[in-house]
Amino acid sequence: GESVGLHLPTLSVQEGDNSIINCAYSNSASDYFIWYKQESGKGPQFIIDIRSNMDKRQGQRVTVLLNKTVKHLSLQIAATQPGDSAVYFCAENDSGAGSYQLTFGKGTKLSVIP
Amino acid sequence: SQTIHQWPATLVQPVGSPLSLECTVEGTSNPNLYWYRQAAGRGLQLLFYSVGIGQISSEVPQNLSASRPQDRQFILSSKKLLLSDSGFYLCAWETGGETQYFGPGTRLLVL
Repeated sequence: GESVGLHLPTLSVQEGDNSIINCAYSNSASDYFIWYKQESGKGPQFIIDIRSNMDKRQGQRVTVLLNKTVKHLSLQIAATQPGDSAVYFCAENDSGAGSYQLTFGKGTKLSVIP
Repeated sequence: SQTIHQWPATLVQPVGSPLSLECTVEGTSNPNLYWYRQAAGRGLQLLFYSVGIGQISSEVPQNLSASRPQDRQFILSSKKLLLSDSGFYLCAWETGGETQYFGPGTRLLVL
C-alpha cells in the first residue's frame, strides 16, 4: 500500500549548524503533510504543516519544502540547538479520500553535538 | 487553548490483567479522537478512532477495545493483557483540520 518513509534513520549535527531531515512519500494523491517532533518519553509535538498547493512554508527556525514531482518532503532547522535533539517524523494525508487519518513515517533521530 | 490529557503516565501490569487507559480533551468540542500504539523504534500504529460519542472504528483486530462515553473522553481497554500489548500508547485529537495533536502518552509494560 501507500507509505511514507524517511531517507535517513539518524542524523548528527553540530550545534549551530543547519539540519535537514528528509521524507519520501509514495501516495501521489496526498495533499497535506505534517512534521512532528518527539522527544524521548513524550508525545509527538506538531512543528509545521504544508498543503500540496505550496512548495515552501516557514516557521520559527524551521522550513518545510515540498517537491511534488519527486514526492519528497524535507524539514530544515536553522541554527540547530541541543533542545532540537529528538525524533522527527513526517505524516501525510489524502483529504480527497474522505478521511483525516494520517500515514506516519518511522522517524529520523536528530542528535545535536554541543 | 486546547489541551489533551492521558493517564496514567506509566503502568506495569501482569499478563492476563485488565487495562483501562483514559484520554480527555479540553478546550474543543466534537473532536475526532484517535488511539495509537508506538512500539520501540517503530512508527505509529492506529488502533481506534472515533468521530463522535459511541462511535468507534477499529483499525487492527486485537484484544483491545475502545469506548467514547463522552464527547471529550476516549478510553482504551482490555479484558486480558498480553505481553505483546506492551508499548507507548498515544491519544490524539483533531477537529477536521487534519492536524492531529497528541497527548503525553502512557507507557505500558506487561510482565
